[in-house]
Amino acid sequence: DIVMTQSPDSLAVSLGERATINCKSSQSVLHSSNNKNYLAWYQQKPGQPPKLLFHWASTRESGVPDRFSGSGSGTDFTLTISSLQAEDVAVYFCQQYYNSQISFGQGTRLEIK
Amino acid sequence: QVRLVESGGNVVQPGGSLRLSCTASGFSFSNHGIHWVRQAPGKGLEWVAFVRHGGTEKFYGDSVKGRFTVSRDNSKKTVYLEMKSLRAEDTAVYYCARDVAYCPGSSCPAPNWLDLWGQGTLVTVSS
Repeated sequence: DIVMTQSPDSLAVSLGERATINCKSSQSVLHSSNNKNYLAWYQQKPGQPPKLLFHWASTRESGVPDRFSGSGSGTDFTLTISSLQAEDVAVYFCQQYYNSQISFGQGTRLEIK
Repeated sequence: QVRLVESGGNVVQPGGSLRLSCTASGFSFSNHGIHWVRQAPGKGLEWVAFVRHGGTEKFYGDSVKGRFTVSRDNSKKTVYLEMKSLRAEDTAVYYCARDVAYCPGSSCPAPNWLDLWGQGTLVTVSS
C-alpha cells in the first residue's frame, strides 16, 4: 500500500501571504509509461464534501482560481496558494491513484493568522 | 443536475449490519466507476471501496476487507455498500464519489481521481 503523508498538519497564514502544503508518498507515483504523476489534490470546507482541485499533480480543474498551483514529481508534491484569501480556509488532502488501492494524505488544516 | 445522493446512514449496534445506497443523476452512470470514502468525526478521508462501471471488478481498503461488500445496479443508477460486523471505528460520514474515467467499453483505466462527490450519510456504531 502507498502511504501518503502531508505536512504540516495545520498551517496559519496571513491574508495575502503564500501558503505551502506538502505531500509525500511512500513510493513513487510517477508512471514511467506516460511520465505522469498519479496524484490529486482536494479542498474540503466545513460541512461540505471534498472538492477536486488538481489531477496529474499540477493540472488545475476548471473554476479553480489560478492562485492555486500544484507541483512536484515522484514522491514529493506541493500545493501552493500564492495569495491567501479568506475563502481558502479549509482542509486540503492529497490522493494517489497509482495503484488500485487509492489512498489519501491525513489532511492539512489551513487557517488565517 | 449532475449529482450523487447517499442514503441509509443510521445508528447501529456493534456487530450489526447496514446497507448504504448511492443514487446518481445527470450523467451516464453505467460508464463510471464509483468509490466509497469515509470520514470519521474530525478526521481525514479514508478510501473504503471501488466498483468498476460494469460491477464485476471491486477493490477494498484493508480495514473493511471481508466485512464490506460493494455492488451496483446500473438499471437503478445506484451503488450499494453492504456493511457487516460493524465496529465503533466504522463510525463516519460515508461519501460516494464518481471516478473520473469515462468507460464506454469493457476496458477501463484503474481507479483515478474523484471528480464528483455526494453530500455523505452518517453511520454511527454505538451501543
